[in-house]
This record gives sequence, structure tokens and C-alpha cells, in this order.
Amino acid sequence: AQSVTQPDIHITVSEGASLELRCNYSYGATPYLFWYVQSPGQGLQLLLKYFSGDTLVQGIKGFEAEFKRSQSSFNLRKPSVHWSDAAEYFCAVGSPYSGGYNKLIFGAGTRLAVHP
Amino acid sequence: ETGVTQTPRHLVMGMTNKKSLKCEQHLGHNAMYWYKQSAKKPLELMFVYNFKEQTENNSVPSRFSPECPNSSHLFLHLHTLQPEDSALYLCASSSLRRGSEGGANVLTFGAGSRLTVL
Repeated sequence: AQSVTQPDIHITVSEGASLELRCNYSYGATPYLFWYVQSPGQGLQLLLKYFSGDTLVQGIKGFEAEFKRSQSSFNLRKPSVHWSDAAEYFCAVGSPYSGGYNKLIFGAGTRLAVHP
Repeated sequence: ETGVTQTPRHLVMGMTNKKSLKCEQHLGHNAMYWYKQSAKKPLELMFVYNFKEQTENNSVPSRFSPECPNSSHLFLHLHTLQPEDSALYLCASSSLRRGSEGGANVLTFGAGSRLTVL
């Protein structure tokens, strides 16, 4: 069965520091991978996605993620964190062969706090 | 403006009440979803409607009753809920990309309806 693991429940970084949020997935084939961000009181906003091709993908707000098949990982990174990046981040995997819709499986999320 | 609008944003109801959550998307998408987001749990897919037909029911209790009258509107009717049903209910929509698998669809989420059951 598919699953997504985000090992870190909470992460605190200083503003201007670099950030890496971890995501591991379990899936038999090459999955479709997503990172979403949720600010307090809001829905989820797509940061970036990986379908195929270049394993380093760029997203919005200066985020990037790298797909590593050998490690079943899709870690999210940002070189310099801004206070406005404080939010909860969700990694998700979409399964192929699901027809005209996407049965996304989400990780439990990582809550990011940013110190000034 | 995300293109997916959910109302009400907050709802408090007793266990014997009947209420409904509404979701509307203005993106021309074919699929609509209900997700449940509880504290300290991953998002749980509840229902999926594709071209107005229900294609997924993730073993959701019958006290939750979805309705999709057209591809732009999705409702979640609530009846005799339990306190453990208190959660953020998120609606999403997506469109099948030409030549792609469903798993590649990008979901656009609404801001959610925060439900509290007393």
C-alpha cells in the first residue's frame, strides 16, 4: 500500500537559515509527488510537483525539491527561510492508473516555525 | 482567491442537528473531493466525484452524505454527528490533464470549513 512519511513533526529555524523538510514514500512504481503548504486558517497551496524528468524541481516562493528514487525520498529545500514561510508543509503522492482523478495520499505534515 | 470557495468557514453544531457544507469551484474542473483534516492525523480522503459521479467513498460513516448536483458544486450533508467528527473539512477540485494519468492531476483546495460538534 502507498504511504508517505514525514519524519519531522515540528522544525524550528532562524530567519535566513537554510531549510530541508524530509519526505519518504512507499510505492511500487514511480509516483507522482507533490508538496503543499498550509498557512493557519487556510487551505492547501501547491508548492511544487514531480512527474518525471529532471529530478530537481523548482516551485513557488523559492522552494525546490529533489526526487531520489534510490532513497524513496522527495525532500523539500529552501536556501534562506523568511518569517512568512512559517506554516505546515505536506508531502503527498498521487497514484497512476486512477482514471480521471487523483487519490492523493498525504503525509502527516511538518510544522515549520521561524525565529526572527 | 483560490477558485474553490467553501461555506461556511466555521460551523458549530449539536449532535442532533442537520447542517450542510458547500463547495463551489470556478475552474472548470471535472473532479471534486472532500478531505477531512483532524488534529495530529494525515488528511483523509472521504469522497471523490468525477463528472458528477461518485467514484470514491473511503468507508465514511453514513452520517456524512455527499451530493454533487453538477461539476461545479459539491455538498457535504451532516446529520447526527459525533464530537470526534470535529475537524477541518477541505474541498478540492482537479482537472484531468490531456495525455496524463489521474495521479498527475493537481488538486486546488478551498480554505476549508472548520466544524465543531458539541
